Amino acid sequence: GAGVSQSPSNKVTEKGKDVELRCDPISGHTALYWYRQSLGQGLEFLIYFQGNSAPDKSGLPSDRFSAERTGGSVSTLTIQRTQQEDSAVYLCASSRGGGETQYFGPGTRLLVL
Amino acid sequence: KQEVTQIPAALSVPEGENLVLNCSFTDSAIYNLQWFRQDPGKGLTSLLLIQSSQREQTSGRLNASLDKSSGRSTLYIAASQPGDSATYLCAVRRSSGTYKYIFGTGTRLKVLA
Repeated sequence: GAGVSQSPSNKVTEKGKDVELRCDPISGHTALYWYRQSLGQGLEFLIYFQGNSAPDKSGLPSDRFSAERTGGSVSTLTIQRTQQEDSAVYLCASSRGGGETQYFGPGTRLLVL
Repeated sequence: KQEVTQIPAALSVPEGENLVLNCSFTDSAIYNLQWFRQDPGKGLTSLLLIQSSQREQTSGRLNASLDKSSGRSTLYIAASQPGDSATYLCAVRRSSGTYKYIFGTGTRLKVLA
């Protein structure tokens, strides 16, 4: 595709429910990143994929958060048993390789009530 | 632990001025540094990427410099325009052991017509 796309653009959920956020990277980009941007917190790294494997998961805040990538393309970030503090904008970025220019998607705005 | 600081937090300038945004990092062992802009409610757009072996990069009216030994990068914007109004973020990745990018909290720039 022309750019990185993310869906849904907005998600409202109730505390305790599970949510899935999707990222479609630029075709041919092997590297994929997930970030979280909270009000007043800045941009926080969550996880990095190279192909389908995740050599750096150091930013995942708890075991309620998981992510996978299939076919070296689409990635899904899953948050189980959502909490109010999970409310944030979740951003996905892809690049040709690790350490190269990152191209960001528009983000998914998650609100946990 | 890598910490990234951006000063000033906000800046307001008249159109046509040249300006400098600052980014400081505490650990000089970096792989590269990226500058991004973020427009309200949108994802990030990459501006410049400087590898650890480089001293500067230029793109149009933008010039970014890197001084690893002093832990500093500057983004110079020449002849500023109202369309340059955005939040500018820098991000650094350590040279080994991680693919994680640490972001600064950003400089919010407003260019007045």
